[in-house]
Amino acid sequence: QVQLVQSGAEVKKPGASVKVSCKASGHTFTTYDINWVRQAPGQGLEWMGWMIPNSGSTGYAQKFQGRVTMTRNISKSTAYMELSSLTSEDTAMYYCASPVGTDAFDIWGQGTMVTVSS
Amino acid sequence: QAVLTQPSSLSASLGASASLTCTLRSGINVGTYRIYWYQQKPGSPPQYLLRYRSDSDKQQGSGVPSRFSGSTDASANAGILLISGLQSDDEADYYCMIWHSRAVVFGGGTKLTVL
Repeated sequence: QVQLVQSGAEVKKPGASVKVSCKASGHTFTTYDINWVRQAPGQGLEWMGWMIPNSGSTGYAQKFQGRVTMTRNISKSTAYMELSSLTSEDTAMYYCASPVGTDAFDIWGQGTMVTVSS
Repeated sequence: QAVLTQPSSLSASLGASASLTCTLRSGINVGTYRIYWYQQKPGSPPQYLLRYRSDSDKQQGSGVPSRFSGSTDASANAGILLISGLQSDDEADYYCMIWHSRAVVFGGGTKLTVL
């Protein structure tokens, strides 16, 4: 079945960067957009941006412009989200999500916890 | 003013109905947006429930029971998620979402407690 499997938890120091991966299986990777959504502990959902795997085109939320980069490796059916200049405010669960059966985010990765701590 | 506003919490009794609202900022007309609803339980990613703009433009998520339904209240400029026949398993956080100005916006979420 269609699945998105994310990389494992990360602990980073302030000022560092983190790169989270999201591997698609059960469908043709280039068919569906990949979105990234994060959730700080005890907080709500925050959209970071999207990528079209086929073309590599991206669109980022204004808040993250200049600090986030979304890429992909088609041969590995994997999307990546890199966030730089980390601060403690970036401590959150990061999810990838795709509109597969509909135009909503109906398939989600399991999440990757990123902790930023000195 | 936030684009989407949800009450932070709501309580309802087992077997009753719960109406969760998602109010759009003034100047953003609810009738022009597809509103998406998600359910999230602790320790799990969100799950897509349904989409609603009108009775002719709606969609139920795969496997989502019909006791979850969507509607709008034009006078309040709000989207509504109605859950009927509340079960204990419905206790969760619920988020609304729209696409606005080429970006996704989530509401702050409503924590539903089933008494």
